[in-house]
Amino acid sequence: GQQLNQSPQSMFIQEGEDVSMNCTSSSIFNTWLWYKQDPGEGPVLLIALYKAGELTSNGRLTAQFGITRKDSFLNISASIPSDVGIYFCAGQRGSNYKLTFGKGTLLTVNP
Amino acid sequence: DTAVSQTPKYLVTQMGNDKSIKCEQNLGHDTMYWYKQDSKKFLKIMFSYNNKELIINETVPNRFSPKSPDKAHLNLHINSLELGDSAVYFCASSRDPAYGYTFGSGTRLTVV
Repeated sequence: GQQLNQSPQSMFIQEGEDVSMNCTSSSIFNTWLWYKQDPGEGPVLLIALYKAGELTSNGRLTAQFGITRKDSFLNISASIPSDVGIYFCAGQRGSNYKLTFGKGTLLTVNP
Repeated sequence: DTAVSQTPKYLVTQMGNDKSIKCEQNLGHDTMYWYKQDSKKFLKIMFSYNNKELIINETVPNRFSPKSPDKAHLNLHINSLELGDSAVYFCASSRDPAYGYTFGSGTRLTVV
C-alpha cells in the first residue's frame, strides 16, 4: 500500500523554539493534510493543502504542499507547552475514499 | 453535541470473547471509517462505508465485521478476540476525504 515517510519520529524542544517536520512519498498526492493528536483523543485536522506549491497558515502553524506533489512540511513557530502531541501528515490520491497517514512525529515541549 | 462519538471508551476483555464497538456521527457525512492505531501510534485503515455500502476493506482478519445500519452509524464487531487485537480503534467520518476526516475519541481495547 501507499506509504508516507514522516520525519522526525520525535522531537524534544524548548518552549519558544520553532519546529519543522515533513512528509515524503514516492507517489503523487492530490491533497495533503496535517493532523494533531492529543493524548487520549482522536486526531484533529490542522491544515489542508490542495495545490502544488500552496502555503497555508493557521495561527502559528504553516504548512506547504511540495512542488513535486510528493511531499509536504509543517512548521510551528514559537512553540508553547500545549503544542505537545503527535502530528500526523496524511495524503489522498485521486478519487480514492481513504487517507494514507504518516507514522507521526511526537513533539515534546519543555517549558 | 459530540460530532463523532464512540462507545465504549475503554474495553478490557479476555481472549476468545466477542465484543462490539459502536460509532455514531451527527455531521451528515456520507462516509465513515474504522482505523486501528497500534502501540507505535501508526494509523491503519480497516474499513470504510459510503452510504451504508462497504467501499474499503483492507487486509483485516475476518473476525472483524463492520456493520452500517444507516449512514450515521458504523459498528465494529470482533469475534474470538486475540492478544494482538489490543489497540486503539478510531471511528471517523468525512464529507469528502479531501476535506479531512472528523475522528471520534477512540476506543482502547485491551485483550488479556
